[in-house]
Amino acid sequence: QVQLVESGGGLVKPGGSLRLSCAASGFTFSDYYMSWIRQAPGKGLEWVSYISSSGTTIYYADSVKGRFTISRDNAKNSLYLQMNSLRAEDTAIYYCARNYFDYWGQGTLVTVSS
Amino acid sequence: QAVLTQPSSLSASPGASASLTCTLRSGINVGTYRIYWYQQKPGSPPQYLLTYKSDSDKKQGSGVPSRFSGSKDASANAGILLISGLQSEDEADYYCMIWLSSASSYVFGTGTKVTVL
Repeated sequence: QVQLVESGGGLVKPGGSLRLSCAASGFTFSDYYMSWIRQAPGKGLEWVSYISSSGTTIYYADSVKGRFTISRDNAKNSLYLQMNSLRAEDTAIYYCARNYFDYWGQGTLVTVSS
Repeated sequence: QAVLTQPSSLSASPGASASLTCTLRSGINVGTYRIYWYQQKPGSPPQYLLTYKSDSDKKQGSGVPSRFSGSKDASANAGILLISGLQSEDEADYYCMIWLSSASSYVFGTGTKVTVL
C-alpha cells in the first residue's frame, strides 16, 4: 500500500533553517510527481512546492519562493524540502503528497518561534 | 478575491443531500479545469475524494463511496461536490483544488466545514 512518512519538523527560531524529508513506499516513486502542502494551525490548505518525477521541473508558491528548495532522490525513494530564512508565518503542519494529492503523509509540524 | 471560494460552513440532516460549491474567480472559466475534492477530519491529513471536469472526464478516489459525486454549474462558474445520504461520518472539512496553469501553481479553496445535525 502507498505510504508517505514525513520527518524533520520541529521548533526553530525565526531566520533559521530546517530540512524536511518524506519517505515513500508501496509505489514506484520515480514514476510520480510530488508536492509539499502545508496547513497553519486552524487554517486551510496551502500548496508549497511541486517537483516532477525526474526532478527537472519545479514550482513554488510565491510565499516561499527564494527561501525553500524542493528536491528528490529517486534511488532513495525520498522527497525533501529545505527551508531557509524561516518566518513565524511558516508555522504549519507540512504534508508531502503524491501526484494530484491522491495520497498524503501524516504530516510533520514546523514551529517557528523565538 | 480568492481564486477558489467555498462557503465556510454547511449543516444538513442525516440522510439528506449536501451540495458544496467551489466558485472560481471571475476570469477563470470552470469549464477549463479539472476540480479535485478532498475531505479532512480533525487531526488527520486530507483524503482525496474525486476529480471532476466533465461527465466523460472524472475519477473517483479508491474506496470512496459513490454517494460522493462531482459536477459543475457553468452559469455560476462553480464546481460542485454532492454528498448524498449524509452520514455522521461525513462531518469534516472539504476542500476543492485546481491546477492554475497560468500561475504554475496548485490552488486550494477556502474550505467548507460540514456538520451533520
